[in-house]
Amino acid sequence: LAKTTQPISMDSYEGQEVNITCSHNNIATNDYITWYQQFPSQGPRFIIQGYKTKVTNEVASLFIPADRKSSTLSLPRVSLSDTAVYYCLVVSSGGYNKLIFGAGTRLAVHP
Amino acid sequence: SAVISQKPSRDICQRGTSLTIQCQVDSQVTMMFWYRQQPGQSLTLIATANQGSEATYESGFVIDKFPISRPNLTFSTLTVSNLSPEDSSIYLCSHRGERDTEAFFGQGTRLTVV
Repeated sequence: LAKTTQPISMDSYEGQEVNITCSHNNIATNDYITWYQQFPSQGPRFIIQGYKTKVTNEVASLFIPADRKSSTLSLPRVSLSDTAVYYCLVVSSGGYNKLIFGAGTRLAVHP
Repeated sequence: SAVISQKPSRDICQRGTSLTIQCQVDSQVTMMFWYRQQPGQSLTLIATANQGSEATYESGFVIDKFPISRPNLTFSTLTVSNLSPEDSSIYLCSHRGERDTEAFFGQGTRLTVV
């Protein structure tokens, strides 16, 4: 399983765009990049996943360069409710492989 | 995606006792996972539970301390045995969705050992 590295914490203000970068140098060919969001007193929630280039959904965008050794989660115009911990995970597509969580990035959005 | 219900949501237990946490999924799922999240920390995988076979434990976790049952494809329990204050954590169950790479989590059980 590829190890991931992301900033421990970030601060932002309401209305700003937030970009959280994750490095995964040892990513394998059949690995996907997934991001989860966790609010206090809740289980993690799946946000987005991608394999390469750009993926966008109603919550976020995920940018993956050609070498796939890093990825960037982009949250447009954050609000106070986006304050959470964000986890980047690399997951093999083959079978029901376990998810291993890194330390995550604690995002604080200020008024 | 299958919805997970986990209970209890929280409990306070005496040291030396045990707590059993239940996880119910509203549709059949092949594999379920149990995690521990200590205060302010990330999630640590305890074990993977397959129906009809023994759970597979991660390094540092043993069956005597964390026995797991998986009697059918919609239900699993995790017991935390011989409780000590160090077991105070949030315990979460999870299952993988149809798309393999996406997982769904219960709300967690906040355990406090006194």
